[in-house]
Amino acid sequence: DSGVTQTPKHLITATGQRVTLRCSPRSGDLSVYWYQQSLDQGLQFLIQYYNGEERAKGNILERFSAQQFPDLHSELNLSSLELGDSALYFCASSVVETGEHPEAFFGQGTRLTVV
Amino acid sequence: GIQVEQSPPDLILQEGANSTLRCNFSDSVNNLQWFHQNPWGQLINLFYIPSGTKQNGRLSATTVATERYSLLYISSSQTTDSGVYFCAGGDLGSQGNLIFGKGTKLSVKP
Repeated sequence: DSGVTQTPKHLITATGQRVTLRCSPRSGDLSVYWYQQSLDQGLQFLIQYYNGEERAKGNILERFSAQQFPDLHSELNLSSLELGDSALYFCASSVVETGEHPEAFFGQGTRLTVV
Repeated sequence: GIQVEQSPPDLILQEGANSTLRCNFSDSVNNLQWFHQNPWGQLINLFYIPSGTKQNGRLSATTVATERYSLLYISSSQTTDSGVYFCAGGDLGSQGNLIFGKGTKLSVKP
């Protein structure tokens, strides 16, 4: 158990809908990262938050957004869903953003299926 | 950003065999990790190893930062070692986020 909790584990929804994925980081970790794993794109970094503020953006679509709350949990919002958004979405956390030992630990992922 | 190449893409072993997986980086990294993705999709941390050598049971890893590569050694493989092994790194300007390779899919046969 990595200590990172993601809910739900599985999600099935229709095209055009909106969903919210939730992540609770390890106790004490201030950085939260979201990644997408799809068959054609592999594992890709989407976005990072550090102590409530957005710190880095990767290949995140405009239809997707995220936030980190004062209790440090994070949510990834996916809207106007398309079939191609079907993927495994991971949340990861680490103590720091850079510097010494920024080892990231991953949650079990949310498997999203868009039908 | 950096590019991460892993080899081989696929590997089939008989139980008990040893193997070496390789990861090459296009530029220097300040953060390098190895993961095992099990058949249920879970990403399990194996090593945080931006440089040097570490060992954990039957697994060990070596990173030669100056030559921009890392190796993962699996000895006396077991069927439970099957899955996909990923290496990932962050470049010097990253905020801790990781760039992943495409992985090595390992199948260990009994």
